[in-house]
Parts: sequence; C-alpha cells; structure tokens
Amino acid sequence: DARVTQTPRHKVTEMGQEVTMRCQPILGHNTVFWYRQTMMQGLELLAYFRNRAPLDDSGMPKDRFSAEMPDATLATLKIQPSEPRDSAVYFCASGTFGTGFGYTFGSGTRLTVV
Amino acid sequence: AQKVTQAQTEISVVEKEDVTLDCVYETRDTTYYLFWYKQPPSGELVFLIRRNSFDEQNEISGRYSWNFQKSTSSFNFTITASQVVDSAVYFCALSEAGISGGYQKVTFGTGTKLQVIP
Repeated sequence: DARVTQTPRHKVTEMGQEVTMRCQPILGHNTVFWYRQTMMQGLELLAYFRNRAPLDDSGMPKDRFSAEMPDATLATLKIQPSEPRDSAVYFCASGTFGTGFGYTFGSGTRLTVV
Repeated sequence: AQKVTQAQTEISVVEKEDVTLDCVYETRDTTYYLFWYKQPPSGELVFLIRRNSFDEQNEISGRYSWNFQKSTSSFNFTITASQVVDSAVYFCALSEAGISGGYQKVTFGTGTKLQVIP
C-alpha cells in the first residue's frame, strides 16, 4: 500500500530551537495538508497545498511557522523559534484534488518542546 | 463556514453490542464530501469512508455501516457486534467543494472515543 511518510516520528527539542518536519506524499497526489492535533484543539488545519502551491495557511502562526513544498516529493513544516505550546502531533496528509477520495495521513510527528 | 459536530465525547460498550457514532455537519455548499476516520491508540489516522453530497445511499462494509441523511445534516456511523479492536477515536470530517470546486479544506469534528470492553 502507498503511504505518506513523515519524519521524524518523535522530536524533543528545547524552547527556541528550530524544528523541521518532513513529509513525503504519495506519488501522484497533488494535494498536501498539514494538520496539528492537540487534546485541547483537536485536529487543526495549518496549511494546504495543491500542485505545490500554497492555497491556505491561515491556520498557521505566521511569525514562527512556515510550510513549503520544494518539490512534489517533499513537504516541510518549520517552526522557528519553537515554544512549549507548539507541542503536539503534526500530521501530513495527501490526496488527489477533485476526486473527493479520502486523504491518506502519515503517522505523524510527535513534537515536544521543553 | 463549515462545521462538524460530534456530540458524543466518549462511549463505552460491551463487546458484541452495536454502537452508533453521531455526526452532524453544517455547510452552505450543495457539493461537499463527508468522511470518517479512525484513530487507534497507535495514533495514525485511518480513512474509513467518503460520501459525496449527491449520494444519500447508505453503505455497509462488513460490520460498519453509515447512514447519510441530508434532511438532518447527519452522517452517522454504526458498528455492529463491536470488538475490542474497534476501540479508537473516530473522527467525522467535511470537505466543501467550494466555488467551481476550487477548494477542499477538510474540517474535522472533535472525535468520539469508543471503548469496547471485553
């Protein structure tokens, strides 16, 4: 089965450090989402790309978060500087626009900022 | 704005009981998609089903069935003869097609935690 691959699976970092999370979408998928999951807020959409172009990043704190797709096989989410409140599980999902098929999620990156 | 409500925060059932998870959605679009995802204790999100707004036919897949009713804006999920492996958090989600189908943001409900007791 095709999978969305996220790295790292776990990350512990100190407050103020830069964090980069990576996602390899399924080959051929043209839509990529970044979600953050916390107990308090549930699943929040951070950013959304189609054909590598950012369509919506309104859910992302712009001063410290950035999302990019340098190529079709890689999406990145960076936090700089990280803060304890960024501790969460970050999911990447990919799919094909227009089909309405369920998006496939990666296993997530569990980020802990101490 | 789109919204998904899962009023049941947690449900506990005894194995082999049937259980229904409720999902109510809000959207102004006439074209949209509804989804259910399962998140087992291991943490991954597993796609279960997609339904588009023009297809109100109920669906059955093994022990799982879904009841889509546009009149009440609901998309409920029933597990028949529940098993311990069904213990997970279940999320209902909505994606609007947007103007000319140009935007498909997926909004999730807050999830329902199902515990199946042996």
